[in-house]
Amino acid sequence: GAVVSQHPSRVICKSGTSVKIECRSLDFQATTMFWYRQFPKQSLMLMATSNEGSKATYEQGVEKDKFLINHASLTLSTLTVTSAHPEDSSFYICSARLPDSNQPQHFGDGTRLSIL
Amino acid sequence: AQSVTQLGSHVSVSEGALVLLRCNYSSSVPPYLFWYVQYPNQGLQLLLKYTTGATLVKGINGFEAEFKKSETSFHLTKPSAHMSDAAEYFCAVRDSSYKLIFGSGTRLLVRP
Repeated sequence: GAVVSQHPSRVICKSGTSVKIECRSLDFQATTMFWYRQFPKQSLMLMATSNEGSKATYEQGVEKDKFLINHASLTLSTLTVTSAHPEDSSFYICSARLPDSNQPQHFGDGTRLSIL
Repeated sequence: AQSVTQLGSHVSVSEGALVLLRCNYSSSVPPYLFWYVQYPNQGLQLLLKYTTGATLVKGINGFEAEFKKSETSFHLTKPSAHMSDAAEYFCAVRDSSYKLIFGSGTRLLVRP
């Protein structure tokens, strides 16, 4: 089945550091990938939609200069949290959509980001 | 606009008992509906989906869900709970731009 790999699974770093998270579709080409943020004991909040070869579309209230998204190939999207601060600590999850409109999104295993 | 409501943030059942997790949706177009399961510190795994056709959908791990248009519901059931079913369950509806709108989630607790 469709596999999405997310790396790293956990990051701990100092305030002010920029952190890059990768999301790869391993066995299919994903023209669209999604980035979510999940706070403890809460649901997933969509941050942005990442389209290969074009600029990402951000949801209302998400700072695009803070959360940089690049989707340079059909199998890779990256999320960079720039100058991270403790309030950016969260669980970030990506998903990828197969081109067939009836297919569901497939999710990565998430990245636990902790900013000290 | 689409939305999803999951009744009950926590559901507790005994091992071997019926599992029923409730999901109601709102959609202005025929909905595509999904149930996902999340284990601690992991991403989401698809349990089952409804797109068109048969309204009773069977998924993995013995779960199934029934799409009821008249009730705008898509409740998830499993005849007999297993300890390994303890997890967070999310119902979701897909909008026209393929975005998923998630419910708030239901944590399933399974008592031995």
